[in-house]
Amino acid sequence: EAGVAQSPRYKIIEKRQSVAFWCNPISGHATLYWYQQILGQGPKLLIQFQNNGVVDDSQLPKDRFSAERLKGVDSTLKIQPAKLEDSAVYLCAAKTAYEQYFGPGTRLTVT
Amino acid sequence: GQQLNQSPQSMFIQEGEDVSMNCTSSSIFNTWLWYKQEPGEGPVLLIALYKAGELTSNGRLTAQFGITRKDSFLNISASIPSDVGIYFCAGYSSGSARQLTFGSGTQLTVLP
Repeated sequence: EAGVAQSPRYKIIEKRQSVAFWCNPISGHATLYWYQQILGQGPKLLIQFQNNGVVDDSQLPKDRFSAERLKGVDSTLKIQPAKLEDSAVYLCAAKTAYEQYFGPGTRLTVT
Repeated sequence: GQQLNQSPQSMFIQEGEDVSMNCTSSSIFNTWLWYKQEPGEGPVLLIALYKAGELTSNGRLTAQFGITRKDSFLNISASIPSDVGIYFCAGYSSGSARQLTFGSGTQLTVLP
């Protein structure tokens, strides 16, 4: 099973501030995903990486969200500037064959 | 995008009872996955299904890949308090093989 580490676990910011989340798929799996999970809903894909390259970012709000994956391992997701509606849990996942394994998530609260 | 209709939205059951939940789609899916999410944690994979008609068990959990490839079921037998959580179905559709689509979840509460 892929272990996925995420930090921080919680973040509270004011609207219009910036925030960054970090993900490390411990086992170094090639495919990495960032999801947004709003309270009461299932996770929604934001971006998918294959090694260093972006495979799918069609649902990423590119005017304020950005993500990168350096050397095909760690990844960061940034929001700048944050809006109230960005309050959610941001999940990172790594893929083995078909299955995706998730990290614990970062709970973001925008006030 | 693809949508998965998951039901019921929530369930309150007595300890020891069996539980059933299901997921349906208007599109054909090639893979069905069932996850459980507890408060403050990410979803944890419970069962993966890859072929139509497949029936797979994981302890007290049993899931089936529907024959039509448009639905899947999860059953939990003899529920215990630690079964509490949100159960999500997810899948890869034939039209979007790279993107995992999630249902809206079933919140399960087990009463002692």
